[in-house]
Amino acid sequence: GAVVSQHPSWVICKSGTSVKIECRSLDFQATTMFWYRQFPKQSLMLMATSNEGSKATYEQGVEKDKFLINHASLTLSTLTVTSAHPEDSSFYICSARRIAGGLYEQYFGPGTRLTVT
Amino acid sequence: GQQLNQSPQSMFIQEGEDVSMNCTSSSIFNTWLWYKQDPGEGPVLLIALYKAGELTSNGRLTAQFGITRKDSFLNISASIPSDVGIYFCAGPAIKAAGNKLTFGGGTRVLVKP
Repeated sequence: GAVVSQHPSWVICKSGTSVKIECRSLDFQATTMFWYRQFPKQSLMLMATSNEGSKATYEQGVEKDKFLINHASLTLSTLTVTSAHPEDSSFYICSARRIAGGLYEQYFGPGTRLTVT
Repeated sequence: GQQLNQSPQSMFIQEGEDVSMNCTSSSIFNTWLWYKQDPGEGPVLLIALYKAGELTSNGRLTAQFGITRKDSFLNISASIPSDVGIYFCAGPAIKAAGNKLTFGGGTRVLVKP
């Protein structure tokens, strides 16, 4: 159990266009999901926390109008990169938190490689 | 903010060797999570630790939650080629808002040429 999927796994888009990335928890409900960005040979950088039914909480320095997050259900969160530019090219990874017996675990999706040309 | 210092940054392994890596922090953590990430993939949860002093195994992997709650280690016994990858420690510091995870910088495990 505890599978998180992401779609698409990779995407190439032109500068100025918007790209939507979906994150789904397949076998558990997740009231909280997270979006991370990872640059080559670096650790994961948290961009925002996505809470089902409420507005996302963004980390300092992350533009909320640039990276739109919607967590419309307990199994789906989406990240939309608006007006993408080459500097937005990166590996985006979502994560979903599962809570059982008061303890929680956090599971990651396989990531989405975004390339903006 | 909270920081996790993970060491070593990289290591070379030879098949059959035991390897060890650790994470330390200046903050107290209430949970430690160890992940492995293969190239182009998302991190996969290996072991979760919830109590100070807890020692947990998952196959050839063993991890411990330090007594001070400020450190954790991960051991891999009898390493095999597929152990190559990047290992991350992570955890929510006890005062972290929303229990957000802080990640270590990662330990890159490579095969000896």
